[in-house]
Amino acid sequence: DQQVKQNSPSLSVQEGRISILNCDYTNSMFDYFLWYKKYPAEGPTFLISISSIKDKNEDGRFTVFLNKSAKHLSLHIVPSQPGDSAVYFCAASARGHNDMRFGAGTRLTVKP
Amino acid sequence: GAGVSQSPSNKVTEKGKDVELRCDPISGHTALYWYRQSLGQGLEFLIYFQGNSAPDKSGLPSDRFSAERTGGSVSTLTIQRTQQEDSAVYLCASSLLAGQETQYFGPGTRLLVL
Repeated sequence: DQQVKQNSPSLSVQEGRISILNCDYTNSMFDYFLWYKKYPAEGPTFLISISSIKDKNEDGRFTVFLNKSAKHLSLHIVPSQPGDSAVYFCAASARGHNDMRFGAGTRLTVKP
Repeated sequence: GAGVSQSPSNKVTEKGKDVELRCDPISGHTALYWYRQSLGQGLEFLIYFQGNSAPDKSGLPSDRFSAERTGGSVSTLTIQRTQQEDSAVYLCASSLLAGQETQYFGPGTRLLVL
């Protein structure tokens, strides 16, 4: 069952513009959300997280927004840079549970 | 090493053979996770270890899959009688504690079953 969904398999943006990656979830028990970034032939690396008690978390060029009522979160990257080109995975977990659920990933390409 | 390491990086095997995949977590990390990523799919949770015990085996897709962890460190994932649908990248991750801690991933083992 796909409890975490990333409906856009790919996204292409121009350098300097904003990248917006979206993620939807179905399990209302999820209370912690993360974004991981993955380059080819490497494991995913943690990027940014947000707890359900917040609706926004910002770290430099990266901001994650959480809309609990819509069960939706998004990752904004601004300004986008060519080095941001990677696959971005959304992940979610519920307190007391150890199986983090991942989306299928969105491949971001930032064109110079 | 500073990060999670996995071996082998690539494995090609024939259908029906057994394979063993190894994961060396970050030193001191008590929690260890195995995931797999099939072509075009997200990361699928397989199993989780806290120390040497595996309280959550719910993600193992069949009884051909097993995993163990010894000394609270190295873990091996064993797939018996491999099938073509087992072809995937198998990723290991570790975290300092269990629960909602950031997980640090290894580079993965790319398994191809012919």
